Amino acid sequence: NAGVTQTPKFQVLKTGQSMTLQCAQDMNHNSMYWYRQDPGMGLRLIYYSASEGTTDKGEVPNGYNVSRLNKREFSLRLESAAPSQTSVYFCASSDPAGGIVDQPQHFGDGTRLSIL
Amino acid sequence: AQSVTQLDSQVPVFEEAPVELRCNYSSSVSVYLFWYVQYPNQGLQLLLKYLSGSTLVESINGFEAEFNKSQTSFHLRKPSVHISDTAEYFCAVSVLSGGSYIPTFGRGTSLIVHP
Repeated sequence: NAGVTQTPKFQVLKTGQSMTLQCAQDMNHNSMYWYRQDPGMGLRLIYYSASEGTTDKGEVPNGYNVSRLNKREFSLRLESAAPSQTSVYFCASSDPAGGIVDQPQHFGDGTRLSIL
Repeated sequence: AQSVTQLDSQVPVFEEAPVELRCNYSSSVSVYLFWYVQYPNQGLQLLLKYLSGSTLVESINGFEAEFNKSQTSFHLRKPSVHISDTAEYFCAVSVLSGGSYIPTFGRGTSLIVHP
């Protein structure tokens, strides 16, 4: 009953370093999302992928890139980390029944990223 | 563009008391509305959703929310809270944009249940 799995759970980076956050889901969902959560800001959408092979920008895409490697995996990359990217990152997935509404329904437990 | 406003950042309440967490949205088109709950150090869990039909929707753990189109609100209520309901609650709205439903989350309301 894994659902959505994110790795790593914690990471500390230095400014300018790069890293990739991994996300995998085992529910055969078409849609996947990356969010960041900051205190008092709620969740903000970084990128989403409505289906395998497609990605689109969300509200705060600057400084990030994504790859929808296959139906299961959706990775988020920080090419040159900045202190402003210190946050908790959540991956989510969904499978709109009948194509009605595409809303994340299953979340991973998050990656806590600190950039010094 | 749509936006979601959760009017209270923190709501303290005693166990077994009723609670209401307020959510208002702004959108000029039809919306779909959701409430999520987040327990410490976990991801969000979908609590309930309004897509169409009855304006009153219920969750399995006693929460309910009512969609009020005229007031553009989707407040979350529970008649009697438990200590275990202590968590962060997020309201979200989805609006069709460019062929996809793009979700927007409110800033969250921290529900603190005291014994």
